[in-house]
Amino acid sequence: AQSVTQLGSHVSVSEGALVLLRCNYSSSVPPYLFWYVQYPNQGLQLLLKYTSAATLVKGINGFEAEFKKSETSFHLTKPSAHMSDAAEYFCAVSDRGGGADGLTFGKGTHLIIQP
Amino acid sequence: GAGVSQSPRYKVAKRGQDVALRCDPISGHVSLFWYQQALGQGPEFLTYFQNEAQLDKSGLPSDRFFAERPEGSVSTLKIQRTQQEDSAVYLCASSLGGLAAGGGETQYFGPGTRLLVL
Repeated sequence: AQSVTQLGSHVSVSEGALVLLRCNYSSSVPPYLFWYVQYPNQGLQLLLKYTSAATLVKGINGFEAEFKKSETSFHLTKPSAHMSDAAEYFCAVSDRGGGADGLTFGKGTHLIIQP
Repeated sequence: GAGVSQSPRYKVAKRGQDVALRCDPISGHVSLFWYQQALGQGPEFLTYFQNEAQLDKSGLPSDRFFAERPEGSVSTLKIQRTQQEDSAVYLCASSLGGLAAGGGETQYFGPGTRLLVL
């Protein structure tokens, strides 16, 4: 069975500082990995995804993530935090392939940006 | 429409009432998913449709939960005899391809329906 662990339910950084949100997964086969962002009272928006093309994936809003198979990790980073980045972030995995795969999500990390 | 829409956005039900939650996916999207998101948790998969066929309902928590997509577009999630533990946000997502599509297809999420059972 696949699973996702997000370390830290809350992460606080200063505006302009590096953002690092951690995600570790377990999967019996090479996975597809996703990061979604959720703003209050809104649905989830895709930030980026790993589909085996390249291990370093660039997404929207300056975010990127690196797939490390040896560490079973897919951590999300952004060099310089903006106030508008304050939101809930979810890492998700699918490993059954095809277009019919329900995603398995982590519990989420709430990102707080200090002015 | 431009994205996935869901209605109602908020629903308050008395314990024991039946509720129906609607999802309008992106036009032309073959796949449709329902998720349940409890407070402070990540979404959990409930069920999957490819067009009108419900191919996976492994995540439905009980036989009080029923979903349909009769014409392969709009979907309805119905919860019978609601219980307090059903209180959650119900998210709908759609993606372009079906079973034959490559892995890692992007799922586009609606804003959700927040259900509160009193």
